[in-house]
Amino acid sequence: AQSVTQPDIHITVSEGASLELRCNYSYGATPYLFWYVQSPGQGLQLLLKYFSGDTLVQGIKGFEAEFKRSQSSFNLRKPSVHWSDAAEYFCAVASMDTGRRALTFGSGTRLQVQP
Amino acid sequence: DTAVSQTPKYLVTQMGNDKSIKCEQNLGHDTMYWYKQDSKKFLKIMFSYNNKELIINETVPNRFSPKSPDKAHLNLHINSLELGDSAVYFCASSQYSGVGDTQYFGPGTRLTVL
Repeated sequence: AQSVTQPDIHITVSEGASLELRCNYSYGATPYLFWYVQSPGQGLQLLLKYFSGDTLVQGIKGFEAEFKRSQSSFNLRKPSVHWSDAAEYFCAVASMDTGRRALTFGSGTRLQVQP
Repeated sequence: DTAVSQTPKYLVTQMGNDKSIKCEQNLGHDTMYWYKQDSKKFLKIMFSYNNKELIINETVPNRFSPKSPDKAHLNLHINSLELGDSAVYFCASSQYSGVGDTQYFGPGTRLTVL
């Protein structure tokens, strides 16, 4: 069965510092990978997605993510964090191999930003 | 303009009651979903409809019944509410039902069962 692991439950960074949130998936050869952000009391907003092609994808709000097939990873990065980035971040995956239309989500990483 | 909307935003009710949550999308999408987010923030798919046809039905108690009157609406009715049903329920939609289609989420409905 497909699964997504976000090993960091909670991360705290200083404003202006760089950020990397980890995501590992386990599944078939053709994953579709997503990062969503959930601000407090809000729904989920898509940050970026990877289907194929260039393994470094750019998203909104200055985020980027890199797909590494050899490591089964899709880590999210931002060079300089802003206080408004404090939120919960979810990695999600779908797979053509399983035909599973719904997303399988990781357990999320809560980002706290210190002034 | 709200793309995916849900009502109500908060729902507090007693055990044993029956309640409904409504979802509407104005994106012209064909597919809609219901997800449940538990107290540990874990999100799990419950149901999905494509053009009013049920295409995903995960292992969910039959007290939960989705209804799709048209492709812009997907409602969730819950009978005989239990304490364990307390969660945030998210509606989502995607243009098609294909694997990997981007899903757009509503703001969520926080259900509290007392």
